[in-house]
Amino acid sequence: TQLLEQSPQFLSIQEGENLTVYCNSSSVFSSLQWYRQEPGEGPVLLVTVVTGGEVKKLKRLTFQFGDARKDSSLHITAAQPGDTGLYLCAGSTSGTYKYIFGTGTRLKVLA
Amino acid sequence: DVKVTQSSRYLVKRTGEKVFLECVQDMDHENMFWYRQDPGLGLRLIYFSYDVKMKEKGDIPEGYSVSREKKERFSLILESASTNQTSMYLCASASWGPANEQFFGPGTRLTVL
Repeated sequence: TQLLEQSPQFLSIQEGENLTVYCNSSSVFSSLQWYRQEPGEGPVLLVTVVTGGEVKKLKRLTFQFGDARKDSSLHITAAQPGDTGLYLCAGSTSGTYKYIFGTGTRLKVLA
Repeated sequence: DVKVTQSSRYLVKRTGEKVFLECVQDMDHENMFWYRQDPGLGLRLIYFSYDVKMKEKGDIPEGYSVSREKKERFSLILESASTNQTSMYLCASASWGPANEQFFGPGTRLTVL
């Protein structure tokens, strides 16, 4: 079974700090997605990356796909309380529409 | 506004009961998915369907079955609920094509006593 390990599992920081969340696997993925889930809701897609080395920016969020397409990172600059939530990475291998989800990083940003 | 809805937000059942969880999407998506979410384990795929009456097992299908009689509706069935099936169940839908966004419902928190 393919596994996606996320680190850290929990993160509690002050408003204005920067942080990075990592998503690692021994498998190669054809695409990788990042989702954010708020309490009582389903996950919502933030970004999809498909090319090794690709970097995408979404306001204060920067996503990077590793060159070998086995890992990814999410960097948040100047975190805000509204960034609080569970962050999930999800990878898909070629020829399938299934996604393997990571273990999740629970972020809390304190005002 | 696109939407995936699930029949219940909270459900409490007894061991051995048959449980039906229903999911409906209004986006005309071909693909639909059932996941369970447990702390520290992320989302694990139970079953998915890529067309009406078509289904494939995910990573943890044991103890579950599914039904897709209409394109917009995907049901998850627990034939005989057990306490280790207490979990959050999430339904999602997606259109054809790799790397397509999955749209999730709000989830059903099932407790089996």
